[in-house]
Amino acid sequence: GQNIDQPTEMTATEGAIVQINCTYQTSGFNGLFWYQQHAGEAPTFLSYNVLDGLEEKGRFSSFLSRSKGYSYLLLKELQMKDSASYLCAVRDPTDKLIFGTGTRLQVFP
Amino acid sequence: DGGITQSPKYLFRKEGQNVTLSCEQNLNHDAMYWYRQDPGQGLRLIYYSQIVNDFQKGDIAEGYSVSREKKESFPLTVTSAQKNPTAFYLCASSIGDYTGELFFGEGSRLTVL
Repeated sequence: GQNIDQPTEMTATEGAIVQINCTYQTSGFNGLFWYQQHAGEAPTFLSYNVLDGLEEKGRFSSFLSRSKGYSYLLLKELQMKDSASYLCAVRDPTDKLIFGTGTRLQVFP
Repeated sequence: DGGITQSPKYLFRKEGQNVTLSCEQNLNHDAMYWYRQDPGQGLRLIYYSQIVNDFQKGDIAEGYSVSREKKESFPLTVTSAQKNPTAFYLCASSIGDYTGELFFGEGSRLTVL
């Protein structure tokens, strides 16, 4: 079966750091993706991990541990515009993306 | 500018009517996808196509149909057989290589009255 778990909601303060976790149990694994989605808009690509370790892109970093079926997205120096939903997705062996339910992040001043 | 265009953005339909959502891309991508998004649920795959004139069912294909006659176009028809069609529909495309990055359209919100 395919199962991807993320917290439903998180809150944080402007300027802070927040970590959004994602755990997965899938029948195969060909990479993990993080997307950002503002309310009513299309998701946009943030990061891709296929090997264990940390990938850094400016204020955003993504970590993967394949043995633990675990990833996190780290957002530093939070800004109000980072208020959005963050979607974790696993690429299965047939090259389809399986999405989690998403984590809604609210950033407060 | 390259991108994916979905239309209409908002659509209302009466029960029993079929409706077709348009998706066009000028990114020269081989693969195209249709997802459905409901509150509190992740994106669920309806249909996908990795090459012209070929497409496969996703996880929730019942009540939907697609065609892929041109590389640029992947329209989705929501038929009257779809029991709960009110949702936000997202079209996406990708190069089709192993990186799998999806580029999404702006979405179409369908409401059945």
